[in-house]
Formats: sequence, C-alpha cells, structure tokens
Amino acid sequence: GQNIDQPTEMTATEGAIVQINCTYQTSGFNGLFWYQQHAGEAPTFLSYNVLDGLEEKGRFSSFLSRSKGYSYLLLKELQMKDSASYLCAVRDGRYSTLTFGKGTMLLVSP
Amino acid sequence: DAGVTQSPTHLIKTRGQQVTLRCSPKSGHDTVSWYQQALGQGPQFIFQYYEEEERQRGNFPDRFSGHQFPNYSSELNVNALLLGDSALYLCASSKLAGASSYNEQFFGPGTRLTVL
Repeated sequence: GQNIDQPTEMTATEGAIVQINCTYQTSGFNGLFWYQQHAGEAPTFLSYNVLDGLEEKGRFSSFLSRSKGYSYLLLKELQMKDSASYLCAVRDGRYSTLTFGKGTMLLVSP
Repeated sequence: DAGVTQSPTHLIKTRGQQVTLRCSPKSGHDTVSWYQQALGQGPQFIFQYYEEEERQRGNFPDRFSGHQFPNYSSELNVNALLLGDSALYLCASSKLAGASSYNEQFFGPGTRLTVL
C-alpha cells in the first residue's frame, strides 16, 4: 500500500517563496507528481519527478529523494492566484494509477 | 482539443438510488481512471479501464462498477447509494505507456454527487 503525508494548510505572502513538503511510504514507486487544484475545479499537472534531484519549471520547482521518501514543491514569487490546494501523488509501479495525499491548502495573502 | 469531459456537472440523488456518471477522454488517450474526492481530501483511486477491461481496482466495494466503450469513453455506476458516497467524482485519461515511461493523467472537471 501507499501512505502519503503533507501539511494540511500553509500561508504565505504575495511575492514570497513557499516550500510544500511531501513524505511517502510505498510498496511500489514509479514517479511522483504534484498537482494544483483550485476550489471546485479539476487537478492540473504541475510537475513530475522519477529520479532524485530538482526539476525546475518557471516559478515552480520540485525535488525528489527516493532514499528518503521525500519530495517538496517550491513556489517562487507567489501570486494571489497561487492560492489553491497542492496535491502530492505517487504513481504505482505497474500501472499509471496515482495515490494522492490529502493536499495542502495554500493561502496567499497581500 | 476538448480535453477530458464529464457529465453531468452536478447530481442529487437519495439513499438507495443508483447513479451513472460519464467521461470522455482527451483525444488520443486510451486509458481512463476514476477517482472519488471527498471534501477536504485528496482523490482516491476507484478503478482504471483499458481496452474495455478493468485493469486495476482500488479499495472500493462492488457497488462501484464501470465500463469502457470502444471509443474509450467510460461510465462509472454506483448502486445502493449511501450518504458517504457524496463526493466529487473525477475522471482522468492517459495514454498507455510502459511502467518506465512518463505518463501524465489529465483530469476532467468532475461530477459533484450529493446523496440525501
């Protein structure tokens, strides 16, 4: 089975940097995804890591350490529109099904 | 490209009733996965369909069943509805890839089911 843990809520200020952590314990691992979900909307893909290290994509970066079962999502130059839930998900080793954490609700204030 | 579409958007049912939700995958995708998302929770995997067969199933009772059609669209059926079945039901489509390949899932807007 899979167990994924991430903080429930975080707050930050516009223009700041925030790091959202995710730890996981899995029986099979074939990649870690981060999704953004605004209230009432579908999750949208942000990043994917399968090898250790940092993946950078504009204002968003994601890091993975497979030996530690740890990932983080780094958001730079925060904007009000970044207020959303951020979901960490681990992909099953055999199929492309995803196991999600409960999500971290990020509130960006002026 | 319309992306993943789902219908209906919202649905209200009473306990004991049955419901059918529909999903059309993104163009070029052949695999459909269904997730249940309760309020304040992450999506929970229900099952996945490929080539019209259930390929993998999460920890959901037999009341939850599905189907995939030759055009890759899919249905989720829930029988004997319970209050606890109230949730956002998300459909995600992807292109089948090998276990070592990157394979992003694209989510539809979801169907909000309320059971009274």
